[in-house]
Amino acid sequence: NAGVMQNPRHLVRRRGQEARLRCSPMKGHSHVYWYRQLPEEGLKFMVYLQKENIIDESGMPKERFSAEFPKEGPSILRIQQVVRGDSAAYFCASSPWAGGAKTDTQYFGPGTRLTVL
Amino acid sequence: AQSVTQLDSQVPVFEEAPVELRCNYSSSVSVYLFWYVQYPNQGLQLLLKYLSGSTLVKGINGFEAEFNKSQTSFHLRKPSVHISDTAEYFCAVSANTGNQFYFGTGTSLTVIP
Repeated sequence: NAGVMQNPRHLVRRRGQEARLRCSPMKGHSHVYWYRQLPEEGLKFMVYLQKENIIDESGMPKERFSAEFPKEGPSILRIQQVVRGDSAAYFCASSPWAGGAKTDTQYFGPGTRLTVL
Repeated sequence: AQSVTQLDSQVPVFEEAPVELRCNYSSSVSVYLFWYVQYPNQGLQLLLKYLSGSTLVKGINGFEAEFNKSQTSFHLRKPSVHISDTAEYFCAVSANTGNQFYFGTGTSLTVIP
């Protein structure tokens, strides 16, 4: 059973360009979380999605950031008009529906390291 | 809201010595507690979690943690560390309300041969 896949692993963008980060959850997992890790900091929750639904996006910046998890295909985190402050590692995690998202073990992907020049 | 504090950003320890990584949390509601490990250039993987029941939780790789409600702590321990334990360790908390997980800033454990 393949783990959580993220691509690309490294992404370089110039200021003003768009960044698209992809996450394929583990087989059978229907819940996806996105986190951002800035240098010397812990992971910050961004958004929690189920298939075709955004459950909680309270950690997502109000502008330029969006996320989706379509019925088919990977979850996408999209950052429009990137700025230098968006440079970070972005991690995706997935979990099964096992009685409650709050107690589920989250399985993390290897992350996408975004560098904005 | 919940928050997690990991007071020690870096912990060096000699091989085969014991180690304790500290984690304190704050919350006005009941919480669930987790420890994750991150090896270089990899995602996080779960070491152990406390949901309910016994306050001493045993995890993978010989790690254990004890939930102390009165001190709002969930310290991670291992009696004898190996070189392969060198990694970043994150404490995390979720509440029985809401969907978010809150992570600490991490403790970098370096095992010295």
